[in-house]
Amino acid sequence: EAGVVQSPRYKIIEKKQPVAFWCNPISGHNTLYWYRQNLGQGPELLIRYENEEAVDDSQLPKDRFSAERLKGVDSTLKIQPAELGDSAVYLCASGSGTEQFFGPGTRLTVL
Amino acid sequence: QKEVEQDPGPLSVPEGAIVSLNCTYSNSAFQYFMWYRQYSRKGPELLMYTYSSGNKEDGRFTAQVDKSSKYISLFIRDSQPSDSATYLCAMMRSGYSTLTFGKGTMLLVSP
Repeated sequence: EAGVVQSPRYKIIEKKQPVAFWCNPISGHNTLYWYRQNLGQGPELLIRYENEEAVDDSQLPKDRFSAERLKGVDSTLKIQPAELGDSAVYLCASGSGTEQFFGPGTRLTVL
Repeated sequence: QKEVEQDPGPLSVPEGAIVSLNCTYSNSAFQYFMWYRQYSRKGPELLMYTYSSGNKEDGRFTAQVDKSSKYISLFIRDSQPSDSATYLCAMMRSGYSTLTFGKGTMLLVSP
């Protein structure tokens, strides 16, 4: 069974530029999560989807971050404009029930 | 005070040692307790999870939960160099599917 797929794996941009991350969850998983992991820290939830609906986006900085999950499968997370403090690993996870399975993440560096 | 506290380490042990990794938490509503392993530049991988109090064993790994003390542990027997990674504890309230992570403990097992 294929795991959670994310792309790109690495991204380097200059501040104020836009950036987008893509996630394809495990087939059949209705719940999709985006987490941000800063260096030396555990992942922190940005947004959770149940099918197409964003049910928990309280930690998403909505002034610059947006996300979508069209058709309840793939998801895209966007940052516009990026700031230096956005440098982190962005992790996508999917699950059906208690267990969550993570993708490899996208490492973002903002210069 | 963060909801989940975890010593970041690093914890260095010789091959074959018994390793004890621990987390404390403050939110008594947590009912599910997970341990993830994260290799460098990879996403977290679920090792095991426990519901409420008690022990759970899987091969060389044993998870313990003491809800009265708000303390959880992961024991690794006969540690191997391939166990070298960061171990993240994570917790979830019943009826919710958002994980709260600790910072992670870096484990180094030397041959």
